[in-house]
Amino acid sequence: EAQVTQNPRYLITVTGKKLTVTCSQNMNHEYMSWYRQDPGLGLRQIYYSMNVEVTDKGDVPEGYKVSRKEKRNFPLILESPSPNQTSLYFCASSPDRGYGNTIYFGEGSWLTVV
Amino acid sequence: GQNIDQPTEMTATEGAIVQINCTYQTSGFNGLFWYQQHAGEAPTFLSYNVLDGLEEKGRFSSFLSRSKGYSYLLLKELQMKDSASYLCAVDNYGQNFVFGPGTRLSVLP
Repeated sequence: EAQVTQNPRYLITVTGKKLTVTCSQNMNHEYMSWYRQDPGLGLRQIYYSMNVEVTDKGDVPEGYKVSRKEKRNFPLILESPSPNQTSLYFCASSPDRGYGNTIYFGEGSWLTVV
Repeated sequence: GQNIDQPTEMTATEGAIVQINCTYQTSGFNGLFWYQQHAGEAPTFLSYNVLDGLEEKGRFSSFLSRSKGYSYLLLKELQMKDSASYLCAVDNYGQNFVFGPGTRLSVLP
C-alpha cells in the first residue's frame, strides 16, 4: 500500500530535549516536505526537498533541521525544542514537481513541548 | 512573495450548495489544489486545476481563473460528513506547494 509514515504520532517532551520525527514514503517520490499546522494558520511549510541531498527552507524553518540522505526518508529534527513548537506536524511527498502531481500526506504527529 | 486568502469559516445547511473561494498572488504559478481535512486528520486530495474553467467531480467542482488569481470549490447536495476544513494550495512550479489558511465549513441539519 502506498503511504507516508510518520513516527511518533504523539509525543510530549520537555524544552531543550532533542527529538527527531521520522518520515518515510514507499512510493519512490522525489519531493518531500514538512508542514506544521496551528489553529487559524493553516499548513505552513517548514522545509522541503526536491531530491536526495537537496533541501530548502520553507516559510517557518527556524528551530528545525532536516536531512535527505535517502530518497524514502526525510526526518525532521528539533535540536532544542521550545513550547512554541507545540503543533501538529505533517510530512508529505509527491512524485516530482511536475504538472498535476498529487501531494500525499502522512497521518500527522502531535507534538507537545512543555 | 506569495499570498493566499480564504474565508475563515462558513456555515451551510444539509442538502444545500456552498462555494468556497480562494484568491492568490504568487509567482511561477503552475496549478491549484483543493484538499479536504477533517479535524485532527491528514488532508485528502479533492482536485487540481491548471487551466481556466470548471472541473467537475461528482458533488464537488473546482473553478480556476488564472488571470484573476481566483479559484473556488463548489460543494453540492451537502452532507453532514462534508463538515471539514477546505484548503487551497498553489503549486509554485519549480519551487514548492503553498497552502492557504483553510476554510472551516460547518454543515447543519
